[in-house]
Amino acid sequence: DQQVKQNSPSLSVQEGRISILNCDYTNSMFDYFLWYKKYPAEGPTFLISISSIKDKNEDGRFTVFLNKSAKHLSLHIVPSQPGDSAVYFCAARGNAGNMLTFGGGTRLMVKP
Amino acid sequence: DSGVTQTPKHLITATGQRVTLRCSPRSGDLSVYWYQQSLDQGLQFLIQYYNGEERAKGNILERFSAQQFPDLHSELNLSSLELGDSALYFCASTSVQGNTEAFFGQGTRLTVV
Repeated sequence: DQQVKQNSPSLSVQEGRISILNCDYTNSMFDYFLWYKKYPAEGPTFLISISSIKDKNEDGRFTVFLNKSAKHLSLHIVPSQPGDSAVYFCAARGNAGNMLTFGGGTRLMVKP
Repeated sequence: DSGVTQTPKHLITATGQRVTLRCSPRSGDLSVYWYQQSLDQGLQFLIQYYNGEERAKGNILERFSAQQFPDLHSELNLSSLELGDSALYFCASTSVQGNTEAFFGQGTRLTVV
C-alpha cells in the first residue's frame, strides 16, 4: 500500500526551462510534506517543505505547491540548471514518531 | 555534510551471514530512523528509535533488528542474509521536537553474494 506516489520515474527538461515534479498521497492524516534531492552515492538532502495549512512555499528557484483536496503536491524548479540533475523524493509526515513516508522518486535530467 | 555518520560505507558479505551497520546521529538529535533503498526504488522505512526506545516500526524483516545506545548512536543488525537484502541502508536523524526534516547519512551499500 503506497501512501506516497511519484508516478513519473523520470523527467527530462532543457536548461533554463521549468521542471515540475509531481507527487500524490492517499493518507489525509499527513500534515507536513518535504522534498529531498539525492545524488548518486550520497544520502538524500533536504530541499524544501510545506505544512498542510499552506498551499505554497517558495525558496529561491524552488517552489512547492500543495493541493489538499486533490492530495497532490508538486515541486517547481525555475530556471532548471544542469546541477539540478538528481533523483527527487517527496516525503510526507503524519504517522507516529515523525516518521517520513517516501515516494519512489523521480529522476530529473536537465540538459544543457 | 549532514552531520549524520554511517559506517561502513560499503560491505560485501555472503548469504547466511550477519552484519552490523552503525549510525551516529547529528549532535543533539535524539531520534534515529533506518531506511532501505533497493535498486533505484524509493526509501522504505524500517524502524525508528527515540532516546533509546523503539518508537515506530515499518517493513522490517524479523531477521533484522536495531537498537539505540545511551550515547544515541544506533546499530542495525541484519542476520541470515539473503541476496535480496542487497541494498543501500540509510540512517537519518531529527530532533523530533520542532525540526521536522530528517538529515540523512551517506548510507551503507550492502552487497550479499
